[in-house]
Amino acid sequence: AQSVTQPDIHITVSEGASLELRCNYSYGATPYLFWYVQSPGQGLQLLLKYFSGDTLVQGIKGFEAEFKRSQSSFNLRKPSVHWSDAAEYFCAVLTGGGNKLTFGTGTQLKVEL
Amino acid sequence: GAVVSQHPSWVICKSGTSVKIECRSLDFQATTMFWYRQFPKQSLMLMATSNEGSKATYEQGVEKDKFLINHASLTLSTLTVTSAHPEDSSFYICSATALGQGGYEQYFGPGTRLTVT
Repeated sequence: AQSVTQPDIHITVSEGASLELRCNYSYGATPYLFWYVQSPGQGLQLLLKYFSGDTLVQGIKGFEAEFKRSQSSFNLRKPSVHWSDAAEYFCAVLTGGGNKLTFGTGTQLKVEL
Repeated sequence: GAVVSQHPSWVICKSGTSVKIECRSLDFQATTMFWYRQFPKQSLMLMATSNEGSKATYEQGVEKDKFLINHASLTLSTLTVTSAHPEDSSFYICSATALGQGGYEQYFGPGTRLTVT
């Protein structure tokens, strides 16, 4: 069965420091992968996605992610974190014939000023 | 573009009553909408897939008679929680699919916080 694992439940970084959020997937075919951000009490905003092609994907708000098939990973990175980046981050894979999203358990990011 | 709204954003109801939550795609037509449930500090769990003009497809373990889904138009899907109980208290999020640059994408509503007392 398809699944997404986010090993880190909580991460705390200092403002201005670099960030990497881990995501591992289990999927038989070529995965379509997503990263979403959720601010408290709100819905999800798409940060970036990978369908095919260049394995380094650029997203909004200065985020990027790299698809590594050999490691079944799609880690999210940002070179310099801002206090406003504090939120919950979800990795997801498109499954169910291409129209269902399976989400990871999320990583709560805290930013220390 | 691709804005999805939900109404209400927050609702409190008494145990045994029913609550209807609306999900609207404001600037696009969505043949498919999804309903998710999210418990505090947990991930989103897909409840059902709603296709315009047809019956919803429920995920395993979701009671279709308790969570009634109607997708009467290309811009509106509703979720009715019938005979609500405190364990139904949760954050309900809908999404609507639209054709983007890389294929169909899901756009999420802001969610509805349901509290059953």
